[in-house]
Amino acid sequence: SQQGEEDPQALSIQEGENATMNCSYKTSINNLQWYRQNSGRGLVHLILIRSNEREKHSGRLRVTLDTSKKSSSLLITASRAADTASYFCATNRNSGNTPLVFGKGTRLSVIA
Amino acid sequence: GAGVSQSPRYKVAKRGQDVALRCDPISGHVSLFWYQQALGQGPEFLTYFQNEAQLDKSGLPSDRFFAERPEGSVSTLKIQRTQQEDSAVYLCASSLRPRTDTQYFGPGTRLTVL
Repeated sequence: SQQGEEDPQALSIQEGENATMNCSYKTSINNLQWYRQNSGRGLVHLILIRSNEREKHSGRLRVTLDTSKKSSSLLITASRAADTASYFCATNRNSGNTPLVFGKGTRLSVIA
Repeated sequence: GAGVSQSPRYKVAKRGQDVALRCDPISGHVSLFWYQQALGQGPEFLTYFQNEAQLDKSGLPSDRFFAERPEGSVSTLKIQRTQQEDSAVYLCASSLRPRTDTQYFGPGTRLTVL
């Protein structure tokens, strides 16, 4: 079964706007990761945030983590058409050799 | 190679046929995972290898599913007597060491069972 939920399920924005996706999960975690999946392709790792971190940045990406609410958000600033993809959060209960538990994903469409 | 590769990329099977899906992880990566992704869903864990040892197979949905990694590199996921509900994308991921958190995914094999 899947760990949690992303919302919204689908998001459509204009190029240049910011996109915010949220993720909720159910159990305690060691870390939370965000992945991107383009249609028909595998998942690409975007960013990892550990349970003792609250915010992390990578380029145009900003991730927050609230372990008290068991939630995370991914913000993509100044979106581009190439950002069109599905975005998944995945949690890891322990460090390393345990499986990732994914949400159902948010489908982002960026319109040029 | 530069990344995780999987073959075939697409497989169509008739119900009842056996299929074998191959994964070539990144060279030197110790950990290897298989996931199943149904249409419109996130990936779900099937099984995990550390080198040639299958340490976790708790996600395999039935005894028709079998995975191996005999030499600690290439892995094969075999599905016997395929059923329509087996239709999904099968993703393979590898990571450098057991305590490495980032998993690198292959492009997946899309299996369609008719």
